[in-house]
Amino acid sequence: AQSVTQPDIHITVSEGASLELRCNYSYGATPYLFWYVQSPGQGLQLLLKYFSGDTLVQGIKGFEAEFKRSQSSFNLRKPSVHWSDAAEYFCAVGEDSVQAGTALIFGKGTTLSVSS
Amino acid sequence: EPEVTQTPSHQVTQMGQEVILRCVPISNHLYFYWYRQILGQKVEFLVSFYNNEISEKSEIFDDQFSVERPDGSNFTLKIRSTKLEDSAMYFCASSGRGYGYTFGSGTRLTVV
Repeated sequence: AQSVTQPDIHITVSEGASLELRCNYSYGATPYLFWYVQSPGQGLQLLLKYFSGDTLVQGIKGFEAEFKRSQSSFNLRKPSVHWSDAAEYFCAVGEDSVQAGTALIFGKGTTLSVSS
Repeated sequence: EPEVTQTPSHQVTQMGQEVILRCVPISNHLYFYWYRQILGQKVEFLVSFYNNEISEKSEIFDDQFSVERPDGSNFTLKIRSTKLEDSAMYFCASSGRGYGYTFGSGTRLTVV
């Protein structure tokens, strides 16, 4: 069965410092991978996604993620964190399916706090 | 940029009452979904809908839940007899060919 693990429940980073949020997935075929961000009381905003091709994916707000098949990982990075990046971050995996409509499986999320 | 719109943003209902959560997916999308997030927990898939029928559902989506596309634009989730444990944020999403998912901002359901 598909699963997503986000090992870090809560991370605190100083403003201006670099960030890496970890995501490991379990899936037999080629996964579709996503990172979403959720600010308090808000919906889920897509940061970036990986379907195929270049394993380094650029997203919005200066985020990037790298797909490493050998490690079953899709870690999210940002070189310099801003206070507005404080939020909950979710990694998700979907099926490599010709037809859409299949479920996304989410990790439990990582809460990012930014200190000044 | 096209959005998925959900109404209401917050709904309070008494236990045992029926609630209908409403969503307007992106107009050219073909697949529609409902997800649930209990406070402090991860986002969980409930159901997907395509071509006017359920294409996939989770074990959470039991007989008290139903979905409907009553017209060309709306997509609804009905909970027949709400329980306290149904209190959660409910997210609607839609996707088109190319497998891009867009989520709405959610409806916070509080059952008292």
